[in-house]
Amino acid sequence: SAVISQKPSRDICQRGTSLTIQCQVDSQVTMMFWYRQQPGQSLTLIATANQGSEATYESGFVIDKFPISRPNLTFSTLTVSNLSPEDSSIYLCSVEEAAGTEAFFGQGTRLTVV
Amino acid sequence: KQEVTQIPAALSVPEGENLVLNCSFTDSAIYNLQWFRQDPGKGLTSLLLIQSSQREQTSGRLNASLDKSSGRSTLYIAASQPGDSATYLCAVTPNTGNQFYFGTGTSLTVIP
Repeated sequence: SAVISQKPSRDICQRGTSLTIQCQVDSQVTMMFWYRQQPGQSLTLIATANQGSEATYESGFVIDKFPISRPNLTFSTLTVSNLSPEDSSIYLCSVEEAAGTEAFFGQGTRLTVV
Repeated sequence: KQEVTQIPAALSVPEGENLVLNCSFTDSAIYNLQWFRQDPGKGLTSLLLIQSSQREQTSGRLNASLDKSSGRSTLYIAASQPGDSATYLCAVTPNTGNQFYFGTGTSLTVIP
């Protein structure tokens, strides 16, 4: 199974700033995803991180607010831009070694915007 | 759009009891279904993955079943322990696309 290191584990940020979250996998994986979990809610997919090309965003999420990079098959970053209190959530990185196989998750990043 | 529902939303049981968590989904055209565990403020830990062609999967005290035609899955936990206390999530992958659709979760508390 893939081992995922997600950093930072938590952060408190000022309104209007940005936070970049890193996701490092110990093996090459085909699929990488970013999810948001708002307080008391289940997970919502933000985007699929595509290696070497622009991420594929889900409805309601845009690149200007959530820019994503994926320079290779083991690493991705998610930036949450122009932070507001409504962005306070847990952000999770997920990987699948191949499409439709078992999904593995990072430990999450708990973001609080003040 | 696929909708995934989990019942009950919360469950509290005494240690040693066997229990069943339920997951239902509206579109039976799924590729697979996966059960996860989430501890407070943490990421998700994969428990069991069931492919659409399978009926059940077992791992230790856990058994997950899948009835794709009726849009249901159950997670059976035998001889529950306080360490099983967590939120349990089910998620389905549709036949088209790679997105997981997550359920609303069941918060389980096992009382010593």
